[in-house]
This record gives sequence, structure tokens and C-alpha cells, in this order.
Amino acid sequence: GQQVMQIPQYQHVQEGEDFTTYCNSSTTLSNIQWYKQRPGGHPVFLIQLVKSGEVKKQKRLTFQFGEAKKNSSLHITATQTTDVGTYFCAGHFGNEKLTFGTGTRLTIIP
Amino acid sequence: DTAVSQTPKYLVTQMGNDKSIKCEQNLGHDTMYWYKQDSKKFLKIMFSYNNKELIINETVPNRFSPKSPDKAHLNLHINSLELGDSAVYFCASSRGLGTGGGDTQYFGPGTRLTVL
Repeated sequence: GQQVMQIPQYQHVQEGEDFTTYCNSSTTLSNIQWYKQRPGGHPVFLIQLVKSGEVKKQKRLTFQFGEAKKNSSLHITATQTTDVGTYFCAGHFGNEKLTFGTGTRLTIIP
Repeated sequence: DTAVSQTPKYLVTQMGNDKSIKCEQNLGHDTMYWYKQDSKKFLKIMFSYNNKELIINETVPNRFSPKSPDKAHLNLHINSLELGDSAVYFCASSRGLGTGGGDTQYFGPGTRLTVL
């Protein structure tokens, strides 16, 4: 079936450093969503991108959807300890079910 | 008010037993899901119900049987539990069918199942 890969699988950063996770698909996505799962918690919806080349910001978080709608990225500026968790992208291939990416686990070194 | 709730939160049981997990949502959503998250945090969809009808049934052993008595509830029964069933099981819901339309999903707190 269709897959959505994320890199890196793990990322350790010093508090205050920036962080980026990338989401890649071999085929075009109709939209991309991002979720955050805190340690011991459940995935929580962050944002959805629909248009080719779309960029959205939420405070220190910047989300991008690629021009070809096959990739996406989440960039966090000046990480804080509250950013710890696993970040998932998830996308729809046409009218199919939502497919979750493999996730990037972010840990922050204080 | 909890939007999507699951019980129990933790479940520890012996191999070969049968167990159930319950899920309820008070968001008025039409679609509910079961996901399995393994130790590597991969989220795999198992089942999806829309208005009590099964619409997604991934390649899941038939020891797993979902039941949706109404659109606000989706339960998961597991027969003859195996060691490999140990995981966190998440229930989720969405307003629409969850296909292509960009529906966002709301997750329950999860049930951590440990099979000994």
C-alpha cells in the first residue's frame, strides 16, 4: 500500500536549537496533516495543509507542503522542553484513508 | 468533558485470554477508528466504522473483532491474546468518512495492552 516516510526517526537537540522533520511520499497527496504525541499521550492534531507550496505558521512552528504535494516539513525554531514528543505527518492519497507517517521522536537536552 | 474516551487505560493479561476495550466519543462524529501503536511508535490503522458500518478493515488477524453498537461507540474484542498483541491501542473519531476530505482525527487517551 501507499506509504509516508519521515526522517529522521529520532532527533536529539539542545534546548534553543532548531528542529526539522521531513515527510516524503512517492505519490501525490491530496492533503497533509501534522500531529504531535507527547510522551505517554495520544496524537493531537496540529494543522492541515492542502495547497501546493502552502506554508503555515503557528508561533515557533512552520509547516510546508511541497510544490509537487509529495513532501512536507515541520520546522521548530528555538526548541523548548515543551516541544518534546513524536511528530507525525499524515496524508490522504486521493480519496483513501488517512495514512500516518513513521514519526520523528524529538528529545530536548536542557 | 472528554471528547474521546477509552477504557481501560491499562490492561495486563495472560496469553490465550480474551479481552475487550471500549471507546466512546461525544463529538457527534460519524466515523470511528482503531489504531495500533507498537513499541517503535508506528501508528497502524486497524478498523474504521462510519455510522455503525465497517468501512476499513486492514489486514488484521480475525482474533480482533470490532463492534459498533451506535455511532458514538466502537469496541474492540480480542480473542486468544498473543505476545505480539502487546501495544497501545488508540480509538479515534472524525466528522466525515476520513477519506480524502481532510478530516482531522481526534484520538482517545489509549489503552496499553500487555500480554504476558
